[in-house]
Amino acid sequence: NAGVTQTPKFRVLKTGQSMTLLCAQDMNHEYMYWYRQDPGMGLRLIHYSVGEGTTAKGEVPDGYNVSRLKKQNFLLGLESAAPSQTSVYFCASSYQGLQYGYTFGSGTRLTVV
Amino acid sequence: GQSLEQPSEVTAVEGAIVQINCTYQTSGFYGLSWYQQHDGGAPTFLSYNALDGLEETGRFSSFLSRSDSYGYLLLQELQMKDSASYFCAVVSGGYNKLIFGAGTRLAVHP
Repeated sequence: NAGVTQTPKFRVLKTGQSMTLLCAQDMNHEYMYWYRQDPGMGLRLIHYSVGEGTTAKGEVPDGYNVSRLKKQNFLLGLESAAPSQTSVYFCASSYQGLQYGYTFGSGTRLTVV
Repeated sequence: GQSLEQPSEVTAVEGAIVQINCTYQTSGFYGLSWYQQHDGGAPTFLSYNALDGLEETGRFSSFLSRSDSYGYLLLQELQMKDSASYFCAVVSGGYNKLIFGAGTRLAVHP
């Protein structure tokens, strides 16, 4: 049981380049989330999905797009990377009830130069 | 909007007890969660309080007072491996969307 898998683990981008971060979960969770974590700021919600084919904006959605074509996968795209998007990105998934909490992936450390 | 406040750092010695407080402001409160994160690692779920009172899970306990918009995480019999950051989080609206505090860095010393 792998839980939540994120790829890649590390990436360096040049300003203006694009990339896609992949998140895959094998727990049959309906809800999936993308967060970014910056020093001293905790985790901030970028986008989320409540089921296959659905996506919605979180606290800090600008500069990001997402897709959930299959229930187990949630993709985060950066169309034109900016240095302000240098961060650690975490994907998470959950059941509909919160008593079991989120399961997080191991994270993607992205640097935009 | 929503906001959470928790201390930025706490220091304790092995074997001691430490309490990490969290106060929150939110509309439509559903519950308070706690997560642990070791350096370089992913956050892991510790507890969830939807109702007032104390929830105990081994050495960790979590408390909630909805009337005071306040909760805390209590760690007993501290071990070196408990050195980590601890985040409180509240649900923001529906669909289990969590808003996280900035985190409390706990350092456990021998």
